[in-house]
Amino acid sequence: DTAVSQTPKYLVTQMGNDKSIKCEQNLGHDTMYWYKQDSKKFLKIMFSYNNKELIINETVPNRFSPKSPDKAHLNLHINSLELGDSAVYFCASSQQGRPSGELFFGEGSRLTVL
Amino acid sequence: SQQGEEDPQALSIQEGENATMNCSYKTSINNLQWYRQNSGRGLVHLILIRSNEREKHSGRLRVTLDTSKKSSSLLITASRAADTASYFCAPFGSSNTGKLIFGQGTTLQVKP
Repeated sequence: DTAVSQTPKYLVTQMGNDKSIKCEQNLGHDTMYWYKQDSKKFLKIMFSYNNKELIINETVPNRFSPKSPDKAHLNLHINSLELGDSAVYFCASSQQGRPSGELFFGEGSRLTVL
Repeated sequence: SQQGEEDPQALSIQEGENATMNCSYKTSINNLQWYRQNSGRGLVHLILIRSNEREKHSGRLRVTLDTSKKSSSLLITASRAADTASYFCAPFGSSNTGKLIFGQGTTLQVKP
């Protein structure tokens, strides 16, 4: 059983389109995250949800809109895609109450905007 | 929020050699974590060392922490080709406000 699963794994689309990436975790965690990894491997946090509530919202264009229907799911919708949105997007989860902050990552969704 | 800075950015060694990667950070921490990322995959948690620990082992991995120098090192002994990956450190403390911040990582290549 995959702990943190993302779909799709690959996404190729044209500039200006709208797309979504979905994430689900079966670890019983209460906190989920979206990270963006650029071509130089920098991982930047974008959003974090705890029990469906947005708790971290980094400086991200408002074309990016996360949605958490329940604490096991966190989706990312991107409007009006731009070339610079091309990256690998990672979903992760953790248990907020744990002091460690250890994250469990999905396998990533590689978005290519043409 | 603080992130770790890994050094070197890239490391290439022969199979069987040891690999050492370093991480520096700026403010006090509760713990520091190391993650591995294989090509095309997500990050995987390797080991966590708490601020009151100086050294920790897990199989062929040895992590040290020097809070006075605000630095940590990850040693992989007797490296294997399968250790080829990027390695990231993530310091975690009250300044992180609940989020782990990652740097660019160290890309390790182990040649067979």
